[in-house]
Amino acid sequence: AQKITQTQPGMFVQEKEAVTLDCTYDTSDPSYGLFWYKQPSSGEMIFLIYQGSYDQQNATEGRYSLNFQKARKSANLVISASQLGDSAMYFCAMRGHGSSNTGKLIFGQGTTLQVKP
Amino acid sequence: GAGVSQSPSNKVTEKGKDVELRCDPISGHTALYWYRQSLGQGLEFLIYFQGNSAPDKSGLPSDRFSAERTGGSVSTLTIQRTQQEDSAVYLCASSPLSTASWAGELFFGEGSRLTVL
Repeated sequence: AQKITQTQPGMFVQEKEAVTLDCTYDTSDPSYGLFWYKQPSSGEMIFLIYQGSYDQQNATEGRYSLNFQKARKSANLVISASQLGDSAMYFCAMRGHGSSNTGKLIFGQGTTLQVKP
Repeated sequence: GAGVSQSPSNKVTEKGKDVELRCDPISGHTALYWYRQSLGQGLEFLIYFQGNSAPDKSGLPSDRFSAERTGGSVSTLTIQRTQQEDSAVYLCASSPLSTASWAGELFFGEGSRLTVL
């Protein structure tokens, strides 16, 4: 069975500072993909970044980077130089690639980030 | 349109009535997902369609919930004998996922907000 855990219900960060949002996962699949999505108060889901379990390097997309520690089963999102527009709910998600996995994507419970001016 | 379209955007119904929620995915996307999101909560997986494979129904909370996908395109989520705890936003997503591309991100619709009185 797969599981995604986000232990931080809410986080605050000062504008222009960096912030790390935690995500741990559990899976028995030999390979898998990890995703982060942003959901502003408007409700839309915005894809941020993807990390494959066999990728040699940590994924980066602009101000977003994924601190992937496979042995610890963690995939933390790092947002650098926070902006007011980063205030939103952030979801970590995973898709397993094993023979017993259909390929569904499961989500964590989310972390609400508030950026202070 | 170019994105995932869901209808209705809002639905208010009385307890015990049946409701149908529709999702029109992005053309050519083989994977289609339904999720449920209660206020301030994470995304709860409901069902996943992938091409001609049997759908993964493992997330459906009860036999009152069902979904179908006709012609590999439009999907309908049906909730029979609605209960107050069914009140939530129902999100549909599609992906160009194929067995050769597990990294396919999900593209979400704007959701159908269901309120059961």
